[in-house]
Amino acid sequence: QTVVTQEPSFSVSPGGTVTLTCGLSSGSVSTNSCPSWYRLTPGQTPRTLIYNTNSRSPGVPDRFSGSILGNKAALTITGAQADDESEYYCMLYLGKGISMFGGGTKLTVL
Amino acid sequence: EVQVVESGGGLVQPGGSLRLSCAASEFTVGTNNMTWVRQAPGKGLEWLSVIYSGGGTKYADSVQGRFTISRDTSKNTVSLQMNSLRADDTALYYCARVSPSRSDSWSYYVDCWGQGTLVTVSS
Repeated sequence: QTVVTQEPSFSVSPGGTVTLTCGLSSGSVSTNSCPSWYRLTPGQTPRTLIYNTNSRSPGVPDRFSGSILGNKAALTITGAQADDESEYYCMLYLGKGISMFGGGTKLTVL
Repeated sequence: EVQVVESGGGLVQPGGSLRLSCAASEFTVGTNNMTWVRQAPGKGLEWLSVIYSGGGTKYADSVQGRFTISRDTSKNTVSLQMNSLRADDTALYYCARVSPSRSDSWSYYVDCWGQGTLVTVSS
């Protein structure tokens, strides 16, 4: 059973930089996994941040960037702001039409 | 404005059925790929199903054989028929449009989310 792994929680200081990662329980994440990243804030519609590893969705500030770091996908937020405090989810394409979300990372800005 | 609006959620008994609907605006479901995602209370997002523009469908193991995704191009809607519902199917169900990540694969990402419709499975 494949599992997409994310850090359960992370904290960053205002103005700081944080990198959230997204891995696979078995195997490595590559650009073929077409990682995408989403922000989920209570009471709001989910927002798409990054797709196809490192492409920003329209309107997403360039403080958000995606990459592959080692065998994981990564979402880096630079110059963290208070309203970046949210839950962040990655989604990986596993092949044959199947996708899977990670368990999400709750980001605290303090 | 491109958007999707879900409907059909509600309270249903264990073992029962429910049909969710998703109405698309400013784009046609027949030429786009569509997906359903859910979030159970206190849990993360879970991908459930996709229907490709060509009509092909795929499901997560957790709903395979119980849920069916379909579309009605005349009404420009996508539906999720949910049978044999269980308590752990209780969740906020999102409909979303997905776009291809790469031209050389069947991969996709969500580019338009709905607000969600709540399904509660309880006796």
